Amino acid sequence: RKEVEQDPGPFNVPEGATVAFNCTYSNSASQSFFWYRQDCRKEPKLLMSVYSSGNEDGRFTAQLNRASQYISLLIRDSKLSDSATYLCVVNWVDSSYKLIFGSGTRLLVRP
Amino acid sequence: SAVISQKPSRDICQRGTSLTIQCQVDSQVTMMFWYRQQPGQSLTLIATANQGSEATYESGFVIDKFPISRPNLTFSTLTVSNMSPEDSSIYLCSVLIPGQGNYGYTFGSGTRLTVV
Repeated sequence: RKEVEQDPGPFNVPEGATVAFNCTYSNSASQSFFWYRQDCRKEPKLLMSVYSSGNEDGRFTAQLNRASQYISLLIRDSKLSDSATYLCVVNWVDSSYKLIFGSGTRLLVRP
Repeated sequence: SAVISQKPSRDICQRGTSLTIQCQVDSQVTMMFWYRQQPGQSLTLIATANQGSEATYESGFVIDKFPISRPNLTFSTLTVSNMSPEDSSIYLCSVLIPGQGNYGYTFGSGTRLTVV
């Protein structure tokens, strides 16, 4: 089983749609969780951290379910500029600073 | 967040040669990381490079193939040695800024390596 698993997509949605990405992680002792965004031929950039209580940043909502070892990202009112690959990232348990990346979910927002 | 300058941005190299990638940070950082992203894949950690100690390599990566230097708190290099076409990837450095919590991870813009 992969350490961090994501649906690779692509998700092809119209502008204005709501889209949700899911991610599961294998190590129950993992401590920190993130969503990164990676544009084509660019480096990953932090989109948001994920907290147990859930957190929202504008059109983006992240949720964490520790019992199910499941992380989600919801994007509302999709924009063309949201087209990118979204990486689910987990802070590995045996080193408090090492990040483990999922393979990414590709989102295409069409006009 | 920190600003990272990574060089070169891209290179095309002959098999059997070596390439050294540089990562310069605009502030002092203790922890630096080197990642590889193969075509169509996500990021895989190569090693953690802390100033004043030997780099710690992940499973599948060895010092002879990927020697790392960390001479001070603002600079690191990764060398890809005796290259083969399988080494064609994007290589990225990343730093963790203490005290910035979850927002402390910043990535360089990457080095796109093609081995022919």
